Amino acid sequence: AQSVTQPDIHITVSEGASLELRCNYSYGATPYLFWYVQSPGQGLQLLLKYFSGDTLVQGIKGFEAEFKRSQSSFNLRKPSVHWSDAAEYFCAVGSANEKLTFGTGTRLTIIP
Amino acid sequence: DTEVTQTPKHLVMGMTNKKSLKCEQHMGHRAMYWYKQKAKKPPELMFVYSYEKLSINESVPSRFSPECPNSSLLNLHLHALQPEDSALYLCASDAGTGDTDTQYFGPGTRLTVL
Repeated sequence: AQSVTQPDIHITVSEGASLELRCNYSYGATPYLFWYVQSPGQGLQLLLKYFSGDTLVQGIKGFEAEFKRSQSSFNLRKPSVHWSDAAEYFCAVGSANEKLTFGTGTRLTIIP
Repeated sequence: DTEVTQTPKHLVMGMTNKKSLKCEQHMGHRAMYWYKQKAKKPPELMFVYSYEKLSINESVPSRFSPECPNSSLLNLHLHALQPEDSALYLCASDAGTGDTDTQYFGPGTRLTVL
């Protein structure tokens, strides 16, 4: 069975600082990996996804993620965060004919 | 356009009421999903419709009744709910190929059961 671990429940970053959110997955074959962002009371917005090919994936809002098979990781990065990036971030893993499995989420707080 | 719409945005209902949540997409997607999300938790899958047929029911109580009238619409009928059913209900859709599909989510309906 596939699973996702987001080890950081809450991260606080200063505005303008760099960000890395961790995601580790467990799956036997090549997974399909996603990062979603959710602002309070809102739905989930897709930031980026990895299916195959280039292991560095560019997404919206200046985010990127790198797939590292050897570490079973798909960490999300942004070089300089903005106050509007404060939200809940979910990593998810899927595969052919399997439902999407979400991590428990990481809440990002931005301080001025 | 990757938009999934949901109505209403907010819903307050008593335990004896009957209400419905609606979801719509015009992306030509053939799989549609209902999720329930409690505060500070990830979404939990409730139902999946594939080509307008119910393909997954994650052991959801019968007080929740899904319906897929056509490929663009998904409803969730609610009856005799409990206060613990209060949550954000999210609809999502994808192409339904069963392969490298990406799910797109709606903004959700915030449900409060009194």
